[in-house]
Amino acid sequence: DAGVTQSPTHLIKTRGQQVTLRCSPKSGHDTVSWYQQALGQGPQFIFQYYEEEERQRGNFPDRFSGHQFPNYSSELNVNALLLGDSALYLCASSLALGTGDGYTFGSGTRLTVV
Amino acid sequence: GENVEQHPSTLSVQEGDSAVIKCTYSDSASNYFPWYKQELGKRPQLIIDIRSNVGEKKDQRIAVTLNKTAKHFSLHITETQPEDSAVYFCAARLANAGGTSYGKLTFGQGTILTVHP
Repeated sequence: DAGVTQSPTHLIKTRGQQVTLRCSPKSGHDTVSWYQQALGQGPQFIFQYYEEEERQRGNFPDRFSGHQFPNYSSELNVNALLLGDSALYLCASSLALGTGDGYTFGSGTRLTVV
Repeated sequence: GENVEQHPSTLSVQEGDSAVIKCTYSDSASNYFPWYKQELGKRPQLIIDIRSNVGEKKDQRIAVTLNKTAKHFSLHITETQPEDSAVYFCAARLANAGGTSYGKLTFGQGTILTVHP
């Protein structure tokens, strides 16, 4: 399957802890975007990585950071977890300079902070 | 920044009826408007999209219309089926923001569509 792969699928953490989520983009894609989806809400943009650099950032605090590797995969790190960080974290890949099929979303990581 | 409003929040129809979901956006510089379908516990899946140089696009039972002047766009589903039941999200994207073709998407709040057999 050449779709977007996210790991882990579920995660439970304690307040104050740190977490790392991982994403492998769809084959042929070079850009990774991260979204947070709280229950009953639309996805909220966290940031986007292209050429190993953060290209755009949404309204999220510095506790949220990321990284993109040379193979285009990406990590999302969240420090000092709060209860409000509990959400579904979605990774979406795309081709930076193209007019193809836009985003492809992964199935997400369900993070629960207790 | 961009703001997207979506209505209604819930929509209940009988099988075979049509369903219409409407969205408005705030930034006239937005040029790409996708619609996603998300079933419970699954990933959002693109069902149709439209660019600002087009007024209408159709794909079988699904169509999207865009009114740039009024800054609103709508999803139309005809001959609804129970398998159309899901949460639908509209989104808008500013042109070439961040230097990539597919930058930040701003999503609406979602519409829960229920199609009764």
